[in-house]
Amino acid sequence: GNSVTQMEGPVTLSEEAFLTINCTYTATGYPSLFWYVQYPGEGLQLLLKATKADDKGSNKGFEATYRKETTSFHLEKGSVQVSDSAVYFCALSEENYGQNFVFGPGTRLSVLP
Amino acid sequence: DGGITQSPKYLFRKEGQNVTLSCEQNLNHDAMYWYRQDPGQGLRLIYYSQIVNDFQKGDIAEGYSVSREKKESFPLTVTSAQKNPTAFYLCASSPGMGSYTFGSGTRLTVV
Repeated sequence: GNSVTQMEGPVTLSEEAFLTINCTYTATGYPSLFWYVQYPGEGLQLLLKATKADDKGSNKGFEATYRKETTSFHLEKGSVQVSDSAVYFCALSEENYGQNFVFGPGTRLSVLP
Repeated sequence: DGGITQSPKYLFRKEGQNVTLSCEQNLNHDAMYWYRQDPGQGLRLIYYSQIVNDFQKGDIAEGYSVSREKKESFPLTVTSAQKNPTAFYLCASSPGMGSYTFGSGTRLTVV
């Protein structure tokens, strides 16, 4: 079945450091890929998405490129801020799976001033 | 502005009680979902509905029930059969293809 794997957290960085959160997936067809962010005590917000191979999603300085050859969708940001501290979820959606999302376990990011 | 409203934000349940969590959306989305999130863990799908008057069990449906009488509403009842209901509950909706929109969640605590 479909699945999403994310790097284990928590990840702790200093402000202005470079961020990478790894995400790999398994899917039977051609999924769309997403990153969601969850701030403490809140629901999930869509951060970015990509719907086909080689697409790059970007938002608020975050980027991720859909790599079909490595089945990956790693999240990157060049310079993190304290306000980026949150839990990040990688997810996929596939038509053959009834469009239901499959979420990764989440990666907690803490950015220190 | 369109969105999803979950209420209440905090809910306390006594042992043996049924409680109902509300989820309302004005996005005109066909599909709606309920997830459970435990501390430090990911999301687990409880129930989903892709159309009015129809719903399917997710991965952890035991002890929960839902209804979908209106497109806008997808309430979740946590029954007394759910032995460990303390968790953060998230409702989401989707137009059928594309991204999910989430509500802000309900934190349920058994007292």
